[in-house]
Amino acid sequence: DAGVTQSPTHLIKTRGQQVTLRCSPKSGHDTVSWYQQALGQGPQFIFQYYEEEERQRGNFPDRFSGHQFPNYSSELNVNALLLGDSALYLCASSLEVAGEYQETQYFGPGTRLLVL
Amino acid sequence: AQSVTQPDIHITVSEGASLELRCNYSYGATPYLFWYVQSPGQGLQLLLKYFSGDTLVQGIKGFEAEFKRSQSSFNLRKPSVHWSDAAEYFCAVGAPGNTGKLIFGQGTTLQVKP
Repeated sequence: DAGVTQSPTHLIKTRGQQVTLRCSPKSGHDTVSWYQQALGQGPQFIFQYYEEEERQRGNFPDRFSGHQFPNYSSELNVNALLLGDSALYLCASSLEVAGEYQETQYFGPGTRLLVL
Repeated sequence: AQSVTQPDIHITVSEGASLELRCNYSYGATPYLFWYVQSPGQGLQLLLKYFSGDTLVQGIKGFEAEFKRSQSSFNLRKPSVHWSDAAEYFCAVGAPGNTGKLIFGQGTTLQVKP
């Protein structure tokens, strides 16, 4: 049973560029959340996708956007990169039960983004 | 505001010694509570979770945690630490029935001395 997978593992970009990160959820999961983990900090929630729509959003600017595909995989896009966007980006998946609640999230290994 | 506090940024214990990592939360109601572990360069692995019921929960790798409503705490314990337990530990809270948005603490780095 494949867990949550993310690609690429590492990425180097320069300021002002755009980046796309990808996530495949754990088999059987339909909900994907994205988190940003700066060095020495706990993960911070960016947003969550369910049924191909953004359902919840954390305190992140519009430069951060996402997408969920019919197969439940997801992308995180960041435009106009800033030095401060350098972080580990984690994807987590979970299963929406009966359209009402979610069970435990499982995290992928992350994509480490360095902005120069 | 909802928040999670892990008072100890760094803890060092000897191998074989007992361990307790502290977690305090601020939340409007009783949240769902989680402990995750992160090894260097890795993602987060779930150690254990509390949703309701028995306030002492057992997890993987010999870890347990106790939910204390009166203290708004969810401390993680292990009776005998192994060198492989060295890692970063994160406490997190989520809204009941909606764990998609977790709020994490800053983390506690555990170092194990031989």
